[in-house]
Amino acid sequence: AQSVTQPDIHITVSEGASLELRCNYSYGATPYLFWYVQSPGQGLQLLLKYFSGDTLVQGIKGFEAEFKRSQSSFNLRKPSVHWSDAAEYFCAVVHGSGNTGKLIFGQGTTLQVKP
Amino acid sequence: SAVISQKPSRDICQRGTSLTIQCQVDSQVTMMFWYRQQPGQSLTLIATANQGSEATYESGFVIDKFPISRPNLTFSTLTVSNMSPEDSSIYLCSVRTSGGYTGETQYFGPGTRLLVL
Repeated sequence: AQSVTQPDIHITVSEGASLELRCNYSYGATPYLFWYVQSPGQGLQLLLKYFSGDTLVQGIKGFEAEFKRSQSSFNLRKPSVHWSDAAEYFCAVVHGSGNTGKLIFGQGTTLQVKP
Repeated sequence: SAVISQKPSRDICQRGTSLTIQCQVDSQVTMMFWYRQQPGQSLTLIATANQGSEATYESGFVIDKFPISRPNLTFSTLTVSNMSPEDSSIYLCSVRTSGGYTGETQYFGPGTRLLVL
């Protein structure tokens, strides 16, 4: 079955350090891939998405993600983390197509930022 | 883009009662979804509510427990029936918009935080 895996449940980085959050998907065709962020007590905000074309996708808040078909990955990166980036990050894939497509979420990665 | 509002934003309910959550979108959308996020967990799809058809429920969710209405292209309700403490979760409304060459995008409402005592 199609699935999304975020191998890291919890990550801690120092402010100003670089960040990479991993996401692996299991999907037969080229997937639609998303990264969302959920800050404490807040709703889900879309960071970026991959639909087709350029495999390096730029998002909001200085985030980017790279789609690697050979590795079935869509890792999220940021060159310099800010304290305000501390949040829960979810990778998601659309399973199915058209009106039957469903957004399936990974387990989430909690990012802690050390001063 | 789509701006989604939900009512109520939070509620505390007694077991055995029911709560209806409303979802309003600022534009017409075909595809609308309801998710549940249990404490410390990821999001789980409850059902897909496309206008003009019956809601489609995911495995583990049934209509008697989570009846859904979708009367038009901008509004939906989810009812959590005969609640138990296990229903304590955040319930999120979501819509998908088509984006042409940039593909579809899915947006989420702020959620309804439900605590069942």
